[in-house]
Amino acid sequence: AQSVSQHNHHVILSEAASLELGCNYSYGGTVNLFWYVQYPGQHLQLLLKYFSGDPLVKGIKGFEAEFIKSKFSFNLRKPSVQWSDTAEYFCAVNAGNAGNMLTFGGGTRLMVKP
Amino acid sequence: DTGVSQNPRHKITKRGQNVTFRCDPISEHNRLYWYRQTLGQGPEFLTYFQNEAQLEKSRLLSDRFSAERPKGSFSTLEIQRTEQGDSAMYLCASSLENSDEQYFGPGTRLTVT
Repeated sequence: AQSVSQHNHHVILSEAASLELGCNYSYGGTVNLFWYVQYPGQHLQLLLKYFSGDPLVKGIKGFEAEFIKSKFSFNLRKPSVQWSDTAEYFCAVNAGNAGNMLTFGGGTRLMVKP
Repeated sequence: DTGVSQNPRHKITKRGQNVTFRCDPISEHNRLYWYRQTLGQGPEFLTYFQNEAQLEKSRLLSDRFSAERPKGSFSTLEIQRTEQGDSAMYLCASSLENSDEQYFGPGTRLTVT
């Protein structure tokens, strides 16, 4: 069975700092990869996704993620964070199963100080 | 609001009682998923439906848990004889059959005392 690891549980940054959140998965086959975000008091929402093609994918709000197959990684990046990026971020994998069920990492709680 | 809705938003129950949660997916979505999220963890898959058929169940879904989607629209998740370990946020998501993008509802937070 696949698993997803997010190594940073809590990250605190100042505004304008650069962000990189790590995500590693364990599955040897083809995977679809996702980053979801949950802003305080709101639903989980999709930030970006990778299925195939260019391993550098761009999402909403200036976020991007890079799929590195050899490292089983899909790290999330943003060059300059804003206070409004304060949220919890979840990496998720769909290992090509028929039902598209997602396996999530444990989440990283990001706090951006103004 | 045309998103996924869940009711109730919060439920407090005593150990041993039965509880039922409801999820209304986005209207044209034929896939519906249930996940459970405990404090400090990411969501864990429980089960999913395609239309009214329950096609996959996680081993997390013990025999005290049952889910239905009788008409292929809303779904219910029932937990019988609740235990303190059932305390969690129960999330519902829906998607189109040929889409990998799942839309999540706000969740039902269950507290078992």
